[in-house]
Amino acid sequence: GENVEQHPSTLSVQEGDSAVIKCTYSDSASNYFPWYKQELGKGPQLIIDIRSNVGEKKDQRIAVTLNKTAKHFSLHITETQPEDSAVYFCAARLYNTDKLIFGTGTRLQVFP
Amino acid sequence: DAGVTQSPTHLIKTRGQQVTLRCSPKSGHDTVSWYQQALGQGPQFIFQYYEEEERQRGNFPDRFSGHQFPNYSSELNVNALLLGDSALYLCASSQGVANEKLFFGSGTQLSVL
Repeated sequence: GENVEQHPSTLSVQEGDSAVIKCTYSDSASNYFPWYKQELGKGPQLIIDIRSNVGEKKDQRIAVTLNKTAKHFSLHITETQPEDSAVYFCAARLYNTDKLIFGTGTRLQVFP
Repeated sequence: DAGVTQSPTHLIKTRGQQVTLRCSPKSGHDTVSWYQQALGQGPQFIFQYYEEEERQRGNFPDRFSGHQFPNYSSELNVNALLLGDSALYLCASSQGVANEKLFFGSGTQLSVL
């Protein structure tokens, strides 16, 4: 079946450093790629999304890049802060069904 | 705006029982999707409701069923509970069926003993 692989599973950075999370998808026709942040005891919250006709999108300290040829996309967080600590999920939308397939998550810890 | 609200927040059931979870979508949203999130995993799509009908379904057995009401709120029902049904059940709402910009509730933590 269709799947999304996400790496790394855990990531620890010092406050102020950058963090990068990578995802690979299997459905080459996927056309929408959101990223969600999930804090303890809460549901996932959309932080940024990108469509397949765009290579890069930025929103303040967060950016997402998409490489359709390689079928992978990445989340970049610059100038990390302790409040960025959470689990991050990538997802890809299947072209023929519009279903969202989520990655397995990355636990990001930002140390002061 | 209250966002997506789910009830109850926690639930404990025994094997073989039935459970009903409830969801109220964000104001202005007409589509509700349900996801199952096992510990340490990403959300898995169960089904999507739009115009009071199940529009799409993931790889879940018929024990999982749902309903959408005229006010767009939704219920998830699970019959004949198994230990493996223990998980966080998330409701997500959106405007339209394209699964873009989903708003998630905080979920219902279901424990099956």
